[in-house]
Amino acid sequence: GAGVSQSPSNKVTEKGKDVELRCDPISGHTALYWYRQSLGQGLEFLIYFQGNSAPDKSGLPSDRFSAERTGGSVSTLTIQRTQQEDSAVYLCASSSDRGVIQYFGAGTRLSVL
Amino acid sequence: SQQGEEDPQALSIQEGENATMNCSYKTSINNLQWYRQNSGRGLVHLILIRSNEREKHSGRLRVTLDTSKKSSSLLITASRAADTASYFCARSGNTGKLIFGQGTTLQVKP
Repeated sequence: GAGVSQSPSNKVTEKGKDVELRCDPISGHTALYWYRQSLGQGLEFLIYFQGNSAPDKSGLPSDRFSAERTGGSVSTLTIQRTQQEDSAVYLCASSSDRGVIQYFGAGTRLSVL
Repeated sequence: SQQGEEDPQALSIQEGENATMNCSYKTSINNLQWYRQNSGRGLVHLILIRSNEREKHSGRLRVTLDTSKKSSSLLITASRAADTASYFCARSGNTGKLIFGQGTTLQVKP
């Protein structure tokens, strides 16, 4: 089917507001990943969902970040009380199996003013 | 940091020339992948090489892997202006997450 879809493509918010970023993985892919790309930190892993297993949250930078995956498909990444350092491109990827090729969405560019 | 190192950070060449990018990593791997990114947005998988392979080809791409030196290189032959992009190596960490290098920005001048 279609590739990984992310929305919105761009999001501008004010410091202190909450934001939700959405990811629609490729149909049938069991694994879903969130990454963050910023100028100073490069590409960083945030969180990983695999089937019905407990997610690997080891990359979330603070408790302001959370993510869920409903029905084994769509995922939402939520950032509460946004800070300027949260400004980055948030990338979602999915794969059909663990540890092999990942297919990326176009990302959401988040700007926190 | 668990991230690998890539060099050069930036590379500028003329169309038709070859481009070589290098990647080093710190821990053992099952496989190593190369991805391409245009304009700072989504990444596209280019090629995967397994730890028991030493060289792999795909079209104008050639990847080598030296596990004793914990390094890999990506060669793009006969480069084109459309190859202008950032290139990242990535290894699979625990649970399948990818750990990326810092990337090489390639500019191919027409």
